[in-house]
Amino acid sequence: AQSVTQPDIHITVSEGASLELRCNYSYGATPYLFWYVQSPGQGLQLLLKYFSGDTLVQGIKGFEAEFKRSQSSFNLRKPSVHWSDAAEYFCAVGEQGSQGNLIFGKGTKLSVKP
Amino acid sequence: DVKVTQSSRYLVKRTGEKVFLECVQDMDHENMFWYRQDPGLGLRLIYFSYDVKMKEKGDIPEGYSVSREKKERFSLILESASTNQTSMYLCASSSYRNTGELFFGEGSRLTVL
Repeated sequence: AQSVTQPDIHITVSEGASLELRCNYSYGATPYLFWYVQSPGQGLQLLLKYFSGDTLVQGIKGFEAEFKRSQSSFNLRKPSVHWSDAAEYFCAVGEQGSQGNLIFGKGTKLSVKP
Repeated sequence: DVKVTQSSRYLVKRTGEKVFLECVQDMDHENMFWYRQDPGLGLRLIYFSYDVKMKEKGDIPEGYSVSREKKERFSLILESASTNQTSMYLCASSSYRNTGELFFGEGSRLTVL
């Protein structure tokens, strides 16, 4: 069965420090992979997506993610975290033709220390 | 600016009441979705629709129904609300041309007393 695992429920980093949020997926075919961010009380906003091609994808707000097929991972990174990055981050996987019927991880909440 | 609008941000209802959650999108998307979000459980798909008057059950359809009479509007109905349906409800839409990218509304926080 398809699944997405975000091993870290809550991460705290200092402002200016680097960030890596982990995402592992279980999927038979080549997946479509997404990272979404949710600020408190808001809906989800797409940060970046991977469909094919270059395995390092750039997103909005200075985020990037790398698709590693051998590790079934799609980790999200940012070189220097800003206080405004405090939010909950969701990894999601879908398949070609799924038209948005995605499977979401349970999310990682990011706190940023001043 | 593209938008998914959920009619109510906050609702408080009593057990047994019928509840309607409305969602409208202005992007001419074919697909619409209702998710439920609970702490520690992430997003769980309730129902989705690929076209007008079509609906498909998601992972947790029990206690819910949906209606899609127009392309832009997708309603979630709780026929008889229960306290375990207290949650955040998120509507989303997508286009078959967009390879699965979802656009979300801001959510409707429902409390059932």
